[in-house]
Amino acid sequence: GENVEQHPSTLSVQEGDSAVIKCTYSDSASNYFPWYKQELGKGPQLIIDIRSNVGEKKDQRIAVTLNKTAKHFSLHITETQPEDSAVYFCAASIKAAGNKLTFGGGTRVLVKP
Amino acid sequence: DAGVTQSPTHLIKTRGQQVTLRCSPKSGHDTVSWYQQALGQGPQFIFQYYEEEERQRGNFPDRFSGHQFPNYSSELNVNALLLGDSALYLCASSLVGGNYGYTFGSGTRLTVV
Repeated sequence: GENVEQHPSTLSVQEGDSAVIKCTYSDSASNYFPWYKQELGKGPQLIIDIRSNVGEKKDQRIAVTLNKTAKHFSLHITETQPEDSAVYFCAASIKAAGNKLTFGGGTRVLVKP
Repeated sequence: DAGVTQSPTHLIKTRGQQVTLRCSPKSGHDTVSWYQQALGQGPQFIFQYYEEEERQRGNFPDRFSGHQFPNYSSELNVNALLLGDSALYLCASSLVGGNYGYTFGSGTRLTVV
C-alpha cells in the first residue's frame, strides 16, 4: 500500500522567515495531495491541496509543489507568523480507490516571535 | 453551516470494555471515514462508509466496526478495548464525486486504562 514519509519532524523558524516541509510517496497511482494543519485539541484542517495534473499551487503565503517523477511534494510557507505554529501533515490518496488518505508522520512547526 | 460534529469529546474506558463514538458529517456530505491518531503520529485510516455500507477498510482488526445511518451520520464501535487503543479518533466527511476534499471533526480522545 501507499507509504508517505515527511521531513523534518520538527522545524523552528524566526517570524518572517520561510518554512519548507517535504514529503515523499511510494504509490505512483496517487493523484491527490492535501496538506493539513492541526492545532492543539483540534482536528486536521485542510490548508491547501494539489492534484497530479498540476505542478504548483499557491494561496497567499502558502504554496505546494509536486514532482510526480520523483514522487515528492513540498509545502512552502512564506513570511511566517506566530499563528502558523502548529503540526502540519501531508497526505496522499488515489481518487479512483475511494480517496482514503495516507498521512505522513507530521511536522511540528514553531514560529519564534 | 455546521462542520463535522463528533461526540463525546473525551472518554475514559477500562481495558476489555466496549465503546461507541459518534459522528455527524458536514451538511451536504454523504461519505464518512474514521481515522485513529496516536499521540505524536499522523492519522491512520480505519474505514469508510458510503450508502450505509463499509466501502474500504484499513489495517485494523475486526474489533473495530462501524455503521452509517440513513441521515449519513456514523458510529465507530470498538470491542474488547486494549491499552493500545488509546488515541484520538477522527471522523472525516466528504462528498462522493466531489472535489476530493475531506472535512475533519475535532475528534474523540479515548483513554483506555
